[in-house]
Amino acid sequence: EAGVAQSPRYKIIEKRQSVAFWCNPISGHATLYWYQQILGQGPKLLIQFQNNGVVDDSQLPKDRFSAERLKGVDSTLKIQPAKLEDSAVYLCASSNVRGQLGEQYFGPGTRLTVT
Amino acid sequence: AQSVTQLDSQVPVFEEAPVELRCNYSSSVSVYLFWYVQYPNQGLQLLLKYLSGSTLVKGINGFEAEFNKSQTSFHLRKPSVHISDTAEYFCAVSAPASKLTFGTGTRLQVTL
Repeated sequence: EAGVAQSPRYKIIEKRQSVAFWCNPISGHATLYWYQQILGQGPKLLIQFQNNGVVDDSQLPKDRFSAERLKGVDSTLKIQPAKLEDSAVYLCASSNVRGQLGEQYFGPGTRLTVT
Repeated sequence: AQSVTQLDSQVPVFEEAPVELRCNYSSSVSVYLFWYVQYPNQGLQLLLKYLSGSTLVKGINGFEAEFNKSQTSFHLRKPSVHISDTAEYFCAVSAPASKLTFGTGTRLQVTL
């Protein structure tokens, strides 16, 4: 079965510009997660979707970050405007079980550099 | 809230030697514990998880971990490492209805 797909793999932008990342989860997986992984740190959950509804976005900086999951399949994460501290790898993961008991399958990530 | 501490940022080891990667957690409720591996330029892959039951958990690639509630630890072990085990290893914790919280990772460097 195909894994979690993410694009682009790399992105370099200047501060105050906007950027969007795309994620296609494993077919049939109802739960989708976006994580931010800053260099030298573990991944931090930004937002969790169950189908097309938001379950947890408590750590999403809503003044500049937004995410959607139309039709409960693909998802996009947007940053507008970007700041230097947004430089990180953005990981998408999906699971076929709600909650943390189910295994999360991770995509390869998008490495964002903000200059 | 839960937290995870991985004290060792890097662990160098020779091939075929045993290795232990340490993980300690903090939580006021019962927890679920996980180890993930991240190879260069790849996403995370689940190595093993402890949900309940036997405290010794066996995972993929010959890794195992032991849940120690009294010491709040979940150390990862492998009796004999291979060059291909070189990667970043993340310990993570969650509780019922809460999100997954990751540690800062341990870089395992296996050399000949």
